Amino acid sequence: EVQLVESGGGLVQPGRSLKLSCAASGFTFSNYYMAWVRQAPTKGLEWVASITNSGGSTYYRDSVKGRFTISRDNAKSTLYLQMDSLRSEDTATYYCTRAGFDYWGQGVMVTVSS
Amino acid sequence: DIQMTQSPSSLSASLGDRVTITCRASQDIGNYLTWFQQKPGKSPRRMIYGATNLAAGVPSRFSGSRSGSDYSLTISSLESEDVADYHCLQSIQYPLTFGSGTKLEIK
Repeated sequence: EVQLVESGGGLVQPGRSLKLSCAASGFTFSNYYMAWVRQAPTKGLEWVASITNSGGSTYYRDSVKGRFTISRDNAKSTLYLQMDSLRSEDTATYYCTRAGFDYWGQGVMVTVSS
Repeated sequence: DIQMTQSPSSLSASLGDRVTITCRASQDIGNYLTWFQQKPGKSPRRMIYGATNLAAGVPSRFSGSRSGSDYSLTISSLESEDVADYHCLQSIQYPLTFGSGTKLEIK
């Protein structure tokens, strides 16, 4: 059974950092591109970043470029999102998802507030 | 960036009604269009991929179609369990972009 389990969310002050993790199981993690998608409270879905299966290429939306870093450890079947210089507009539930968007984690809440 | 214009933003329909939600792409996205259903407090669920392909486990009353740059999700006969938000996503080009969502309710 495919499972994606996010962790690492919480309340953080503006300008600070947070690192999200997504532990994958039930499939060959190293074969798949992975992505982070977020959803601000009462808002729609917003793609954040993607990473190729090897980790050799990454892609970001403009609003997080230079502040967020997507990475992966294929040996640990884990996806990461390092979030620096956080802003109030980054407040959202963050989901990890597999390429094809057929499986999603349960989501983790990130709240940026002083 | 490719804009996905989704309509309507909300929709109220009766049980048994045929319901259609549409996304219009600002550029050619071929069939790189996915539809998701999201119920309150839950993660999105893939319903349609490749514009017209029914995802595994999705009831056959759901279907996807394309007419030019317009992509539609249709529910042939609305059931109470279909109450949810629906989102479209283009995945042909980064940045990937979602439509603004449609809130489907029962009248």
